[in-house]
Amino acid sequence: DAKTTQPPSMDCAEGRAANLPCNHSTISGNEYVYWYRQIHSQGPQYIIHGLKNNETNEMASLIITEDRKSSTLILPHATLRDTAVYYCIVRPRTGTASKLTFGTGTRLQVTL
Amino acid sequence: NAGVMQNPRHLVRRRGQEARLRCSPVKGHSHVYWYRQLPEEGLKFMVYLQKENIIDESGMPKERFSAEFPKEGPSILRIQQVVRGDSAAYFCASSPDLEPRPYNEQFFGPGTRLTVL
Repeated sequence: DAKTTQPPSMDCAEGRAANLPCNHSTISGNEYVYWYRQIHSQGPQYIIHGLKNNETNEMASLIITEDRKSSTLILPHATLRDTAVYYCIVRPRTGTASKLTFGTGTRLQVTL
Repeated sequence: NAGVMQNPRHLVRRRGQEARLRCSPVKGHSHVYWYRQLPEEGLKFMVYLQKENIIDESGMPKERFSAEFPKEGPSILRIQQVVRGDSAAYFCASSPDLEPRPYNEQFFGPGTRLTVL
């Protein structure tokens, strides 16, 4: 799986948009970008995934650059409950299930 | 979390004892994964099972650790002769067969915190 690089930590004011970047410059054509988060010692939670088009769901938006070498997860109106470690993971969608390789992630702190 | 159950939530063992961690996947999911998170570290993949078969055990320590996912019942992660370095949070995840859900979306349980005295 391609390697990802994320800033170790970020702060965001409650109610503002949180933009979490991820670099994946070695991503290959069949690899997808997945985002998970882990809220304080809980099990990780799936957020969103995408290939090359921007994606949006009830939790977040995912913006992938045209060259696919980087992406940004956007939480449009961050709340205190969004404080967590966010993991960007690149992996193939080959038609078979496979492991997730977690990096160190970005620790997002949402403040009042 | 979409229904993955793990028990016990907390487990204390003395060095040399055995630890058995159980995971019940989301109903209908046939893929189970185990991950370990050492204190202040990230999650590391251990093993991936699909009903009665071990698909990928590349993250499992060579000794003392084993996993199974029988046809009936929960998946079991077994650690024999535990040592202090085994103290960690162990997370189980499950995923459905392919369509219509996104491939590889994994649903995680709340974890089992193992403490070895």
